[in-house]
Amino acid sequence: DTAVSQTPKYLVTQMGNDKSIKCEQNLGHDTMYWYKQDSKKFLKIMFSYNNKELIINETVPNRFSPKSPDKAHLNLHINSLELGDSAVYFCASSQPPGTSAPYYNEQFFGPGTRLTVL
Amino acid sequence: QKEVEQNSGPLSVPEGAIASLNCTYSDRGSQSFFWYRQYSGKSPELIMFIYSNGDKEDGRFTAQLNKASQYVSLLIRDSQPSDSATYLCAAHNAGNMLTFGGGTRLMVKP
Repeated sequence: DTAVSQTPKYLVTQMGNDKSIKCEQNLGHDTMYWYKQDSKKFLKIMFSYNNKELIINETVPNRFSPKSPDKAHLNLHINSLELGDSAVYFCASSQPPGTSAPYYNEQFFGPGTRLTVL
Repeated sequence: QKEVEQNSGPLSVPEGAIASLNCTYSDRGSQSFFWYRQYSGKSPELIMFIYSNGDKEDGRFTAQLNKASQYVSLLIRDSQPSDSATYLCAAHNAGNMLTFGGGTRLMVKP
């Protein structure tokens, strides 16, 4: 019973193409995230959605467009792929932040999608 | 710019030794700190969090936080080969947002 799932696991494509990555969580969480992990292992937040609404949008090119059809799904569409987009993309989910210490609810990560742009 | 910094390693320790992983952060507004373990090709998994100054112990793991020095550490006692992984330090900022360090690769040699 996978908690956070992503498809596809691997994605190899040419520069300039458009591709999508899908994410689904069955944990009943209200908040979902997209992270990018580059070759140096830096894991960086891209987007955060709470109940289908965007709440965090870090400095990400507008070629990246998240879509949340319902609170269990958060998909990532990427237009005009570039070489620098090659990375592992992780989806995660959690409940919203708490109102008492540690003010944070654990994020559960999906297995990741390794994107290679040629 | 909010930053979390870690030595990339690799940190090599013999089996049974104590592994000490360190992390510094720049944002004094950070409230809580987290250690994630990531095996090669896998997703990060939370192993500990700490939000009060001092030590927090959980089994073989001890997290230490010094907010005055903006320093977080993770000690792993009786290190096992199965502890070999990359350890990511993260700071919690606004909302439920985490800022991650680049990770320290730990190698435990039998």
